[in-house]
Amino acid sequence: GENVEQHPSTLSVQEGDSAVIKCTYSDSASNYFPWYKQELGKRPQLIIDIRSNVGEKKDQRIAVTLNKTAKHFSLHITETQPEDSAVYFCAALSYNTDKLIFGTGTRLQVFP
Amino acid sequence: KAGVTQTPRYLIKTRGQQVTLSCSPISGHRSVSWYQQTPGQGLQFLFEYFSETQRNKGNFPGRFSGRQFSNSRSEMNVSTLELGDSALYLCASSRSPGATNLYEQYFGPGTRLTVT
Repeated sequence: GENVEQHPSTLSVQEGDSAVIKCTYSDSASNYFPWYKQELGKRPQLIIDIRSNVGEKKDQRIAVTLNKTAKHFSLHITETQPEDSAVYFCAALSYNTDKLIFGTGTRLQVFP
Repeated sequence: KAGVTQTPRYLIKTRGQQVTLSCSPISGHRSVSWYQQTPGQGLQFLFEYFSETQRNKGNFPGRFSGRQFSNSRSEMNVSTLELGDSALYLCASSRSPGATNLYEQYFGPGTRLTVT
């Protein structure tokens, strides 16, 4: 079945450093890849997404890259700030099954 | 525009009881999906409704069911509750189902269900 692997499970960085979270998907028919940020006790928030016809997308300090050949996509956060601390989830939507499959999450801690 | 809302926010039930959770999507959104979030299993897809029809279903037992009304509001029901059903239940809405360029999913705050 469909599967999304996410690494690392935890990530600690110093304020101002960059953070990279990587995900690998199994279903080659996947065509939509969103990233969600979930702060403690709050709902997951859509922060950026990318579709299969695009290789990279940026929004201020965050960017997502997609490598369809290798079936992996990554979230890049530059100039990290303490408020970036949260759990980040990647997901992949299969065109065949129409299911949004989530990765297991990455807990990012940004230390001042 | 108001976001996705869910009621109730917290619920405590005992084993064997049943529970109904409610979700109101963003205005104009016709697709509603439900997820179960637990520390050990992450976000697990339960089912998706669009135009009052279940379009997709995850790997959950038949005790988990749902429905969608003509105003796109959705409910999910869990019968014969088990301890393992304790979780945060999230619903999410999108303007249309997946596999379209309009697909973007927004989550509600969730209902935290505790089964004792």
